[in-house]
Amino acid sequence: QVQLVQSGAEVKKPGASVKVSCKASGYTFTSYYMHWVRQAPGQGLEWMGIINPSDGSTSYAQKFQGRVTMTRDTSTSTVYMELSSLRSADTAVYYCARVGVSSGYSDYWGQGTLVTVSS
Amino acid sequence: EIVMTQSPATLSVSPGERATLSCRASQSVSSNLAWYQQKPGQAPRLLIYGASTRATGIPARFSGSGSGTEFTLTISSLQSEDFAVYYCQQYNNWYTFGQGTKLEIK
Repeated sequence: QVQLVQSGAEVKKPGASVKVSCKASGYTFTSYYMHWVRQAPGQGLEWMGIINPSDGSTSYAQKFQGRVTMTRDTSTSTVYMELSSLRSADTAVYYCARVGVSSGYSDYWGQGTLVTVSS
Repeated sequence: EIVMTQSPATLSVSPGERATLSCRASQSVSSNLAWYQQKPGQAPRLLIYGASTRATGIPARFSGSGSGTEFTLTISSLQSEDFAVYYCQQYNNWYTFGQGTKLEIK
């Protein structure tokens, strides 16, 4: 069965960086793009960007350009999302979510990783 | 950026009744529209894609309709487990979500 398992909660200070991992299993890793979506406490869903695990190509939401980097490791079927220059407004649950190659919706989601930014 | 607007923000409905949730796009997204359900402390769950196709395992009481800029999610007979927050998402031109509709028990 398809599973996306994310790394554990993080607490970071303002100005630091955080790297969240998402390990995929139960399907061919390189056949499906992966979104990263975040959700601030009590707020809605916000798309951050997308990575193609096959070739590592990425597209980021303009809001996060210059601060976010998405990478993958095909040997471990893992995608990563690194966000730098953290501020309190980045406190949120970060999700990875699988996307069909010829679609844009997400059929499987990770459990989420809470990132707390606090001094 | 395509802006997705959901209405109402909160909908109060009794179990067994029908719920109708709306989603409007600031420009046409064709049928590239998905609906998700999210319960507290859980990740979103895909309900509908392609505006009207139910995802695997989704009960028939959930139905989606619309195209272009106007979309509707209908839950025909509300069960206790359906009370949650619902989001629409367009994937026609990049990806954006609506702000969500909270479906609560009346």
